[in-house]
Amino acid sequence: NAGVTQTPKFQVLKTGQSMTLQCAQDMNHEYMSWYRQDPGMGLRLIHYSVGAGITDQGEVPNGYNVSRSTTEDFPLRLLSAAPSQTSVYFCASSYSNQGAGDTQYFGPGTRLTVL
Amino acid sequence: SQQGEEDPQALSIQEGENATMNCSYKTSINNLQWYRQNSGRGLVHLILIRSNEREKHSGRLRVTLDTSKKSSSLLITASRAADTASYFCATDPLLTGGGNKLTFGTGTQLKVEL
Repeated sequence: NAGVTQTPKFQVLKTGQSMTLQCAQDMNHEYMSWYRQDPGMGLRLIHYSVGAGITDQGEVPNGYNVSRSTTEDFPLRLLSAAPSQTSVYFCASSYSNQGAGDTQYFGPGTRLTVL
Repeated sequence: SQQGEEDPQALSIQEGENATMNCSYKTSINNLQWYRQNSGRGLVHLILIRSNEREKHSGRLRVTLDTSKKSSSLLITASRAADTASYFCATDPLLTGGGNKLTFGTGTQLKVEL
């Protein structure tokens, strides 16, 4: 299994540009999520999905959209990039979505810089 | 908002020594998890402890949970240079109705010197 994969690894955008960060998992996990990591802030939840066709907002959803058309893929879209979105983005997945608690598997991250 | 706060923010020890990191959180939880992050990499799950558990072991790792104090500790025994990394606690808050929506702390940077 490849686990959780993310593309691209690095991206530089200009303010106002849009782009999609890709995330895929091959473990048949129901739960997927996106986090951003900023220096000294830990990880903050952007959006999450408990299954195909179901998404919801996390702690910091503004400026981002998600969709979940398949179990495997969970892309994150930046609608109009701003310098405040400069960060490292991590996608994660886990088997359980029932609140019993489960290991989350993280992708390697995408380092995004917005000029 | 940050649910968990790790203490200390940074820790430097010699190889073979034990390393202890603490985590405090604010609200009731379903479970608490510890993750490790090597520089420039994604997070790797270390251990999960449920709210009805008080202590858990995994290899050289020992985690304790005190729900009355809303705190947890991670002990790494006989540390190795390869343990050098950032360590994060993450809580699954009770009131979110589950769904594994973790809230992460700010992390402890551990450096193990030869």
